[in-house]
Amino acid sequence: KQEVTQIPAALSVPEGENLVLNCSFTDSAIYNLQWFRQDPGKGLTSLLLIQSSQREQTSGRLNASLDKSSGRSTLYIAASQPGDSATYLCAVLTGANSKLTFGKGITLSVRP
Amino acid sequence: DTAVSQTPKYLVTQMGNDKSIKCEQNLGHDTMYWYKQDSKKFLKIMFSYNNKELIINETVPNRFSPKSPDKAHLNLHINSLELGDSAVYFCASSQSTRHPYEQYFGPGTRLTVT
Repeated sequence: KQEVTQIPAALSVPEGENLVLNCSFTDSAIYNLQWFRQDPGKGLTSLLLIQSSQREQTSGRLNASLDKSSGRSTLYIAASQPGDSATYLCAVLTGANSKLTFGKGITLSVRP
Repeated sequence: DTAVSQTPKYLVTQMGNDKSIKCEQNLGHDTMYWYKQDSKKFLKIMFSYNNKELIINETVPNRFSPKSPDKAHLNLHINSLELGDSAVYFCASSQSTRHPYEQYFGPGTRLTVT
């Protein structure tokens, strides 16, 4: 059974800091890994998708890496801004029926 | 142009009632999903449909019945609502289950059972 872990559950940093959010998963037989952002009371916004054959993906100030063999992914946020404050969810896609398994998320607060 | 839409956005109802949540996607995707996000914000898949065929059913009580009239719609009907059903329900879609395509999520429906 696939399990996805995100630690810590919450993180508070000052504006401008570069930060890394970690995600680990137990079953390395994944098709892809997605990082999502969720604002309070809102839906999920897909940030980055890394296919199992890829090592990393970049979008603006965000960079996500994937080490499938060790069951780890990191989301790097450069020069953090207060607008980056949200919950960041990691999810992996596994199985013949494409089941997406989520971590519990990391709630990020960027202080001005 | 909303890719995945859900109605209603909020739903407040009493225990024992029956309610439905509707989901529509205009992306031309073949696969649609329902997820539940509980009070601890943990997201878990409930169902997935591919071309109107049930693919995933994750140990969800029989009171929950998804219905897919066509591949652009996946509705969730809940019978005899219980307090524990209070959660945010998200609909999602992807191009197919055969390949590892990205899933796109709707805005969610916050269900409160009193």
